[in-house]
Amino acid sequence: NAGVTQTPKFRVLKTGQSMTLLCAQDMNHEYMYWYRQDPGMGLRLIHYSVGEGTTAKGEVPDGYNVSRLKKQNFLLGLESAAPSQTSVYFCASRPDRGLSMNTEAFFGQGTRLTVV
Amino acid sequence: GEDVEQSLFLSVREGDSSVINCTYTDSSSTYLYWYKQEPGAGLQLLTYIFSNMDMKQDQRLTVLLNKKDKHLSLRIADTQTGDSAIYFCAETAGGFKTIFGAGTRLFVKA
Repeated sequence: NAGVTQTPKFRVLKTGQSMTLLCAQDMNHEYMYWYRQDPGMGLRLIHYSVGEGTTAKGEVPDGYNVSRLKKQNFLLGLESAAPSQTSVYFCASRPDRGLSMNTEAFFGQGTRLTVV
Repeated sequence: GEDVEQSLFLSVREGDSSVINCTYTDSSSTYLYWYKQEPGAGLQLLTYIFSNMDMKQDQRLTVLLNKKDKHLSLRIADTQTGDSAIYFCAETAGGFKTIFGAGTRLFVKA
């Protein structure tokens, strides 16, 4: 089982460049998330999606855009990269089992992005 | 809003018990989780507890929940060097989002 796959694993960008991070899951999960992880700050939610064709803002959405054209893919775009976006980015997915059921989140391996 | 707090570092000797603590603010939390992150990897679920329980044991892991104080702890018995990792406390109130703490980095000294 592939689970949640993120590409690329590493990237160095110059300030002002754009890029797209791809997240793919093969578990037919409804919910998908993009987090960034910075030292001492844990995981902060950037954007999330509750189903194909839907997206919503998380805690730190500025400077990022997302799309969920297919259920299995969730793309994170940086239109004009800034050094403050240097971080490790994690994608996660989880199934929709209703409000009263435990639903574990499955994480990708992360993308380490450096903006110089 | 919802918040989850945990200390950033813990150092123990191999063979000792480790206790990682977490506090949360959302009184409507239904599930509370402990995730483990090893170097260079994503987070993996270690264990979870439902809010109507106050203790859960799973081999070397014991989770204690004090709902009145909104305090969650993870005890690892007989800590091994392979337990060195970052441990994240997380909670969900059954909605779309899972709120994570900042993570506790556990150092295990041989």
